[in-house]
Amino acid sequence: AQTVTQSQPEMSVQEAETVTLSCTYDTSESDYYLFWYKQPPSRQMILVIRQEAYKQQNATENRFSVNFQKAAKSFSLKISDSQLGDAAMYFCAYRSTQINSGGSNYKLTFGKGTLLTVNP
Amino acid sequence: KAGVTQTPRYLIKTRGQQVTLSCSPISGHRSVSWYQQTPGQGLQFLFEYFSETQRNKGNFPGRFSGRQFSNSRSEMNVSTLELGDSALYLCASSHGTSGVNRYFGPGTRLTVT
Repeated sequence: AQTVTQSQPEMSVQEAETVTLSCTYDTSESDYYLFWYKQPPSRQMILVIRQEAYKQQNATENRFSVNFQKAAKSFSLKISDSQLGDAAMYFCAYRSTQINSGGSNYKLTFGKGTLLTVNP
Repeated sequence: KAGVTQTPRYLIKTRGQQVTLSCSPISGHRSVSWYQQTPGQGLQFLFEYFSETQRNKGNFPGRFSGRQFSNSRSEMNVSTLELGDSALYLCASSHGTSGVNRYFGPGTRLTVT
């Protein structure tokens, strides 16, 4: 079974600064997806960015980018030019690509989350 | 497109009762999965439905069940509620079981007293 670990329960950053959230995972699979989700106080979970394991290039979405180290099983999220609206709980998640007998094994396995505070 | 909708948003039930939660996926999405979120256990996978069939199930007792209708709407039911069932229940939809991205609804906050 896969596990996802986020070792930083809380992080804080000054507005306009850069912050990096850490995530490590454990898997025996070679092909999979990794995600970062954001859950603001309103509770709606929002997909921030995803990375395909077979791609060596790190994913980037505007101010959000990842550092994917497959051999180290590390998947960190970098937020540049932090904004007040970035304050939220951030979850790292893993998704397998292997199919079970039911025709799916695409559940998301989440880390415990990192609460990001943005200071003005 | 409208997002994933969940009803009700808040619910208070008494221990021993049962509850039914509803999820309407994004139009065109046929896969619906459910997650339980608690402060202690975090986010845990409950089950996934596609084409009215349960495709995957998490490690939850049989009191937790679900179903999916022909219009892809899904319901989950929890019988004989326990205090520990108090949680935020999140529903996520995707285009198919192989749809990579999951889009989450706002959740249903269930409180069991």
